[in-house]
Amino acid sequence: EAQVTQNPRYLITVTGKKLTVTCSQNMNHEYMSWYRQDPGLGLRQIYYSMNVEVTDKGDVPEGYKVSRKEKRNFPLILESPSPNQTSLYFCASSRTGLTSTDTQYFGPGTRLTVL
Amino acid sequence: SQQGEEDPQALSIQEGENATMNCSYKTSINNLQWYRQNSGRGLVHLILIRSNEREKHSGRLRVTLDTSKKSSSLLITASRAADTASYFCAETSGSRLTFGEGTQLTVNP
Repeated sequence: EAQVTQNPRYLITVTGKKLTVTCSQNMNHEYMSWYRQDPGLGLRQIYYSMNVEVTDKGDVPEGYKVSRKEKRNFPLILESPSPNQTSLYFCASSRTGLTSTDTQYFGPGTRLTVL
Repeated sequence: SQQGEEDPQALSIQEGENATMNCSYKTSINNLQWYRQNSGRGLVHLILIRSNEREKHSGRLRVTLDTSKKSSSLLITASRAADTASYFCAETSGSRLTFGEGTQLTVNP
């Protein structure tokens, strides 16, 4: 089944404790992206990747890192989480980098709480 | 960057009625997409309209695009209780996808 998976689905952590949220897709997609969703702010793009070893900042990259060593995986790293990073996070992928016909497939979301 | 804006923010209708949601955007787009999200779940793509298209249909969905006004609308006809969800427009410009804040649609049985 074609899908985007994220782990963990729920995470409660404390300020400053490094964490990684994994994202994996099985559709051989080139483009992958991370979003955060907050009430009243909609979805905002954190980072995106056009292909292996190619990553770019989105709208709200501060406090986050990503890597794209393999095509299928695009982990989101919070080196020193802070309470303002409490949010619902979504990973997404698409066949290529958002051409005129590409659509994105979203993962189920990771609800992160930073105390 | 700037985000699109949906209107209304919330819409409550009876089953069988039509629901219309509007979206305004600010950039020059490659295309505009509409997504649906059930509470706390991932987004599901509904329909994509290219910048050179004016109207598109998919089942009970009808999307229009007016590039001169930088606006789009999503019409859901003959709504069902199962259509209750949040609906987001997303503008694609280059390799970036920018979402609006969404419209919460409630369809009452």
